[in-house]
Amino acid sequence: EDQVTQSPEALRLQEGESSSLNCSYTVSGLRGLFWYRQDPGKGPEFLFTLYSAGEEKEKERLKATLTKKESFLHITAPKPEDSATYLCAVGMKTSYDKVIFGPGTSLSVIP
Amino acid sequence: NAGVTQTPKFQVLKTGQSMTLQCAQDMNHEYMSWYRQDPGMGLRLIHYSVGAGITDQGEVPNGYNVSRSTTEDFPLRLLSAAPSQTSVYFCASSYGTSGRAENTGELFFGEGSRLTVL
Repeated sequence: EDQVTQSPEALRLQEGESSSLNCSYTVSGLRGLFWYRQDPGKGPEFLFTLYSAGEEKEKERLKATLTKKESFLHITAPKPEDSATYLCAVGMKTSYDKVIFGPGTSLSVIP
Repeated sequence: NAGVTQTPKFQVLKTGQSMTLQCAQDMNHEYMSWYRQDPGMGLRLIHYSVGAGITDQGEVPNGYNVSRSTTEDFPLRLLSAAPSQTSVYFCASSYGTSGRAENTGELFFGEGSRLTVL
């Protein structure tokens, strides 16, 4: 069964305290792995697409990496404005038009 | 450039009532989809469309109906609302399977429609 899991469910960090979020996936052929950010009351906002193991993408304090079974979103020296829910999603080669989302990690960065 | 526009933002229904959630995009995207988001369960795909006149079912299609008569619009119909359909609904669009250089696979989401069924 194709599925995406994320851990931890929630994470509280002090401002400046770096950490990583995990996304584990089981799909029969990965087309792409996506990271989104979602603020309360808003729709998800695209961050990155990763296509193959070993690939890395960076944007400000965020860095996403990909292996054959999981992806990590590293947050370096986070600020309070990084507080949001981070969603991982996968697109599958076997079902090109479907994207499966994980449940998300709720990140709170305390000043 | 409005992107993806959803209406209404909030709606309260009684069990058995029907209604339509509207979704429009102005980016000439081939692909449009509807998701529902429930606490602890993430976004689940309801229905999707790869172009005008073409629709297909996602993970949780029961109780919902869609049509795609134009590229821009993709309405979601609740035929007979049930309390289990209380959720936040998101419409999303993308370039689909196009080979355009700007196609990163990114889904563009609307702001969501919060539906409560009593």
